[in-house]
Amino acid sequence: EAGVVQSPRYKIIEKKQPVAFWCNPISGHNTLYWYLQNLGQGPELLIRYENEEAVDDSQLPKDRFSAERLKGVDSTLKIQPAELGDSAVYLCASSLDYTSKPEQFFGPGTRLTVL
Amino acid sequence: RKEVEQDPGPFNVPEGATVAFNCTYSNSASQSFFWYRQDCRKEPKLLMSVYSSGNEDGRFTAQLNRASQYISLLIRDSKLSDSATYLCAVATGGFKTIFGAGTRLFVKA
Repeated sequence: EAGVVQSPRYKIIEKKQPVAFWCNPISGHNTLYWYLQNLGQGPELLIRYENEEAVDDSQLPKDRFSAERLKGVDSTLKIQPAELGDSAVYLCASSLDYTSKPEQFFGPGTRLTVL
Repeated sequence: RKEVEQDPGPFNVPEGATVAFNCTYSNSASQSFFWYRQDCRKEPKLLMSVYSSGNEDGRFTAQLNRASQYISLLIRDSKLSDSATYLCAVATGGFKTIFGAGTRLFVKA
């Protein structure tokens, strides 16, 4: 069974530029998560989707971050414009069902460097 | 106080040692508990789920103490390959999963 797929794996941009990350969850997983992880810290939730509905986006900085999961499968996270402090690893995870099977499986992440 | 707290370590232990990590959580309504392993520059991988008082998988034992609001992870007969960061994750009644900052383990030959 294929795992969570993310692209790109690495991205280097200059500040104020836009950037987008893509995630394809494990087939059949209804719940999709975007996390941000800084060095030495645990993953911090940005947004959680149940199918195509964003059910928890309270930690998403909506002035510059946006996300979508239009058909309830793959998802895109965008930052526009990027700031120096956005440099981090952006992780996507999926779970079968948040209530009954909440175990999360992570993709390899996208390592973003903002110069 | 953070919602989920872990001792950052690092824990430096010799091969064959037994090592234990604790993770405390603040939300008494928390329902599900997990341990993840994260290797350097890799993604977290699920190690164990803890739904009742405890769970055992080979050399790894996780225990849950709801009264004191902590979970623990015990690793017996440590291997060099156990060197990693161990993250605990706690899912609250509001369906939010909070991760701790992780505990680093180094197993030495």
